[in-house]
Amino acid sequence: GNSVTQMEGPVTLSEEAFLTINCTYTATGYPSLFWYVQYPGEGLQLLLKATKADDKGSNKGFEATYRKETTSSHLEKGSVQVSDSAVYFCALRDSGGSNYKLTFGKGTLLTVNP
Amino acid sequence: DGGITQSPKYLFRKEGQNVTLSCEQNLNHDAMYWYRQDPGQGLRLIYYSQIVNDFQKGDIAEGYSVSREKKESFPLTVTSAQKNPTAFYLCASSIPGTGNTIYFGEGSWLTVV
Repeated sequence: GNSVTQMEGPVTLSEEAFLTINCTYTATGYPSLFWYVQYPGEGLQLLLKATKADDKGSNKGFEATYRKETTSSHLEKGSVQVSDSAVYFCALRDSGGSNYKLTFGKGTLLTVNP
Repeated sequence: DGGITQSPKYLFRKEGQNVTLSCEQNLNHDAMYWYRQDPGQGLRLIYYSQIVNDFQKGDIAEGYSVSREKKESFPLTVTSAQKNPTAFYLCASSIPGTGNTIYFGEGSWLTVV
């Protein structure tokens, strides 16, 4: 079956620090990869996505490249802000018969201090 | 604005009672989903529906039931058979297809007292 493994949190950074959140996956087909963000007490918002190998998704200063050869997609931001404090989820949506659903990692809690 | 509306935001239930969570979308999406989130965990799929009048069990369907009588509505009932119902419930919808985004509502907190 499909699975997603994210780096364990929590991650605590100072403002303007560089952020990397690692994500690796296993999938049976040709998945699309998604990064979602969840602010406290809220639902999930799509941050970015990459639908095929070597795609780079970007949004709000965040970037993630879909690395098929290493089955990974690492979320990066060059300079984090306090407002980036949230939980970040890596997820995949596989092709074929299971393409109806997302498989999630457990999430990484990021806290950015001023 | 288009989106997914879940209600209520907070709900308290006594043990042994059923409770229904509402989910409405005006995005004209065919597919709808219910996920459960527990603290420190990822999301787990409860039920999904790819078209009106059809739905399928997800990974943790026991103790839950759904209906899909209208394209825009996908209510979830948490029954008394669900052993550990206290959680954050998220409804979602999408256009079918691997590369298409699944969009989420704001969630409903259910606490069993």
